[in-house]
Amino acid sequence: GAGVSQSPSNKVTEKGKDVELRCDPISGHTALYWYRQSLGQGLEFLIYFQGNSAPDKSGLPSDRFSAERTGGSVSTLTIQRTQQEDSAVYLCASSLLGSLDEQYFGPGTRLTVT
Amino acid sequence: AQSVAQPEDQVNVAEGNPLTVKCTYSVSGNPYLFWYVQYPNRGLQFLLKYITGDNLVKGSYGFEAEFNKSQTSFHLKKPSALVSDSALYFCAVRDGGYSTLTFGKGTMLLVSP
Repeated sequence: GAGVSQSPSNKVTEKGKDVELRCDPISGHTALYWYRQSLGQGLEFLIYFQGNSAPDKSGLPSDRFSAERTGGSVSTLTIQRTQQEDSAVYLCASSLLGSLDEQYFGPGTRLTVT
Repeated sequence: AQSVAQPEDQVNVAEGNPLTVKCTYSVSGNPYLFWYVQYPNRGLQFLLKYITGDNLVKGSYGFEAEFNKSQTSFHLKKPSALVSDSALYFCAVRDGGYSTLTFGKGTMLLVSP
């Protein structure tokens, strides 16, 4: 079956612009996660959705970052007024029920802020 | 709080030799432990997990990990390494009181022919 998909695969933007990153989870998965992967920083948790609610958004680094999920499916991560330090690979994952289940990761969106 | 440490940035091993990738954790309650692998130009994949029960957990591709509560460790092992095992390995932990995983910084495994 279809896995987790993310778009765009690559995004180059100028400092100060807003960007939207999209994640399509596996159908039927209620849990969805956003992570950020930077060189030398490992995998940094950003936000977790259970259905359309976000019970844990503790990893969002600043109020420039926000995310939503609609219809218990597609999620969008929005970064406003991008900064160079936002450059990273943004990964989305989904799991059937919660974080004790295997997480299935998408291929990621590589964001470069110039 | 929950945290995980992978003390080695890189592990080098010759093909056919046993390999170990180290992971230690810190939680306030019972730990749930995971290993994920990221092959070059591919997404992260689940390898194995410890939730409860037998301390020795077997996973995909011949990997296994042993939960050691007294040493707060969950090292990943394989009896005989393959060149194709070369990848970035992430350990992750979840405390019972949390809803999400905390990942380590990753260990690059390089298996030489």
